[in-house]
This record gives sequence, C-alpha cells and structure tokens, in this order.
Amino acid sequence: DTEVTQTPKHLVMGMTNKKSLKCEQHMGHRAMYWYKQKAKKPPELMFVYSYEKLSINESVPSRFSPECPNSSLLNLHLHALQPEDSALYLCASSQGRRRDNDEQFFGPGTRLTVL
Amino acid sequence: GQQLNQSPQSMFIQEGEDVSMNCTSSSIFNTWLWYKQDPGEGPVLLIALYKAGELTSNGRLTAQFGITRKDSFLNISASIPSDVGIYFCAGQLGAGGTSYGKLTFGQGTILTVHP
Repeated sequence: DTEVTQTPKHLVMGMTNKKSLKCEQHMGHRAMYWYKQKAKKPPELMFVYSYEKLSINESVPSRFSPECPNSSLLNLHLHALQPEDSALYLCASSQGRRRDNDEQFFGPGTRLTVL
Repeated sequence: GQQLNQSPQSMFIQEGEDVSMNCTSSSIFNTWLWYKQDPGEGPVLLIALYKAGELTSNGRLTAQFGITRKDSFLNISASIPSDVGIYFCAGQLGAGGTSYGKLTFGQGTILTVHP
C-alpha cells in the first residue's frame, strides 16, 4: 500500500459547526503533515507531526486543531471556521527519518467549503 | 523567508512538443522535488533529486539538480494531453535544523496541451 487516503472528499460546513478531517497511511511513515491550498497556489504548510508528536505549527489559528492518535492516522479538528478558510486541505506523509531523501507523498485532499 | 522562483507561470503547447520549466532559489537546498497536480487532486511526486548535478529521468520526464544547489529544471518530451496540470517544484533543506520537514514550493507552472 503506497498511498495516503483522506476523508471526506468534500465537506460543507457552517461557521458554528464542528467537523473533522481524517488522513491515513499504511506505508510505515513516521512523519505526517497538514497543508492548506488555495486555487492555483502552492500548498501552505500548517502542521508537522514527527513520531506522533507535534513538531511544527506554522502559527495556525486555534480554530484548527490537529491530532495524531497513532503513527498511521492524522486528524484535523475544525471549529468556528471562517469563509476564508475554504480551501483544499492536503495530508502528506514521509518516512520521517532525519536524512536528505525524505520525500513527502500527498493524499487526494478534502475540499472544504465554509458558509 | 526562502522563496522559489518558478517559470514560466503558464504554458500553452501543441501535443508532441517538448516542455521545459525551471526553479531558482536564493538559498541552497539539499533536495529538489517535482510534483504534478491535477484539478481537485493532491500533488503527485514525479521526480526527486538528492545530489548537485544529478540528472534523473522518469519516462518522458527528465529533471536536473543544479550544480550550485540553488536551481532545478524539469523537461517533458513529446507532450500528450494527459500532461495537462500544474507542476510544482519544491526544495527541502537537509536532515538537521528546525526547518527539517518543511518544503518550500515554487508558484507552479500551469501546462495546457492542445491536441
């Protein structure tokens, strides 16, 4: 299994809703990432988990709350989002060993619309 | 922060033509990655480069890691309609330091192939 899966594919939520995005990989990778991507722009890093511990938070607002229950799963909990948070949310994983050839593999993304 | 200059921003070509795009940086990277993204999908890794001067091929794709470690190019030969998409370069720092795990992306090259 060499893929990263994400659910749901699409999500529409109101500004008062609470929802969660899920990401899963079975490649034995120990680093997992959340990115936000606006149309025709490059992905922007939000969070990095290394060995189930949060290692990088790119000053993301607290309405986004990441969680890494185990080495295969990564969640992103959403609460009180704003319309400008509408975007494609991408999960990625990599082997996580501190070496140069640690390429990241991306999932298909969740298209989020905040009304 | 670090920035990658990717050019061209867009290309309109005829099927069968060759394509060339490149990325330059003011900073050194230890790894260069090239991704392709189809609409509504996540980026797919095409080629990874780890050594200065390295030239790597993947089918009709060829990419090189610049000698100065500050640039990379991607060539696509004999383009076909399914080559349509957005191509992103990404640089990654080495295994040490607090920035490990972060990718710096170029702004993307939008490729359109006319049959």
